[in-house]
Amino acid sequence: QSALTQPASVSGSPGQSITISCTGTSSDVGSYNLVSWYQQHPGKGPKLMIYEDSERPSGVSHRFSGSKAGDTASLTISGLQAEDEADYYCCSYARGSTWVFGGGTKLTVL
Amino acid sequence: QVQLQESGPGLVKPSETLSLSCTVSGGSISSYYWSWIRQSPGKGLEWIGYIYYTGTTNYNPSFNSRVTISVGTSKSQFSLKLSSVTAADTAVYYCARQLVDYFDSWGQGTLVTVSS
Repeated sequence: QSALTQPASVSGSPGQSITISCTGTSSDVGSYNLVSWYQQHPGKGPKLMIYEDSERPSGVSHRFSGSKAGDTASLTISGLQAEDEADYYCCSYARGSTWVFGGGTKLTVL
Repeated sequence: QVQLQESGPGLVKPSETLSLSCTVSGGSISSYYWSWIRQSPGKGLEWIGYIYYTGTTNYNPSFNSRVTISVGTSKSQFSLKLSSVTAADTAVYYCARQLVDYFDSWGQGTLVTVSS
């Protein structure tokens, strides 16, 4: 299966909001409410930020939110902070009982 | 808070078998799925497969017959074997706990380089 499509990079100033898109197909994102999002700082393992499209795990800031429309899922970060600068990856369950990730988006806080 | 730690050789020769272990602490392997995920240099993440604590496995078709995931005899470890490796298998390998449809805990990752 093909990787999900994410923009290579996004940027924003402190306090602003940004949105990262994740486009799949009717075989993955579009057919299941099972998109998750991960934050990865350099040299670290990924951290779960959103699961099941829009659910936020305990301990994750309310500034992080997820949504989905059709074959495209989105991660929105409001009130950008310096520590949000990281790589972000989306992931979806895909038909055939597999999981597919996006190529990753580098967030720069200006 | 469950913690995961990968271990194994950092260098593997082409055509040989890559073998890694993941040690789980702060929790039990029972009642969960346990996955291996890799990240090639400068690239995104790729799910390799999972094992349920009962021993049931599910692999990414891209790896198919090359991959084996098993639970260790200690019941606090699970392992990955990837056979017939090439330079394309050079990556950081992560183990993770999979709560059915998402990965809630990850190890720090271990770099495996395939080179003669």
